[in-house]
Amino acid sequence: ETGVTQTPRHLVMGMTNKKSLKCEQHLGHNAMYWYKQSAKKPLELMFVYSLEERVENNSVPSRFSPECPNSSHLFLHLHTLQPEDSALYLCASSQGTGSSGANVLTFGAGSRLTVL
Amino acid sequence: QKEVEQNSGPLSVPEGAIASLNCTYSDRGSQSFFWYRQYSGKSPELIMFIYSNGDKEDGRFTAQLNKASQYVSLLIRDSQPSDSATYLCAGNAGNNRKLIWGLGTSLAVNP
Repeated sequence: ETGVTQTPRHLVMGMTNKKSLKCEQHLGHNAMYWYKQSAKKPLELMFVYSLEERVENNSVPSRFSPECPNSSHLFLHLHTLQPEDSALYLCASSQGTGSSGANVLTFGAGSRLTVL
Repeated sequence: QKEVEQNSGPLSVPEGAIASLNCTYSDRGSQSFFWYRQYSGKSPELIMFIYSNGDKEDGRFTAQLNKASQYVSLLIRDSQPSDSATYLCAGNAGNNRKLIWGLGTSLAVNP
């Protein structure tokens, strides 16, 4: 495996379900991110983990719960979602602490989530 | 509200022409700017970043930054049909790990 891998690629869930998205990076990077991409909206940063510590949490509803057990793995736990949460969820990683290096993101292929 | 604005397009150019993609930003504190390309159904991938005023060239791509005018552009020379994608402009928000993204410009290169 190379780069950033995300599973599952597609997920359909009801509003009462609990599911998790998984991300794994094989690049030796020190930061990992969750982004949400919806139609006609800019990419929305949800969470950032740097060296396994959450450093950014952009007022995301508590029904989204991130987990970063180590520098290579990132999860997004989903619980009682709403239909408006349907979107493409992108995981990314980066290396470096300067503003340039830190923002050179490698994205995974994304998890397409549909909430019924 | 910090914003990055792009013309959503679609921008249509003939094969071999120069495609010019533009981006303006509202936050004067932004220091670095990034161009990502996103093919339909795929995830974004970095093309270039720029943090100094002026031009930065990489192959067929040139990024231009004018901090006084708060303007960033991406020029694609000798455009190819494989360049057809959505181009996302992003600026860092003064926070090392946070980017402010534009909506993207859709580019179509016609054979």
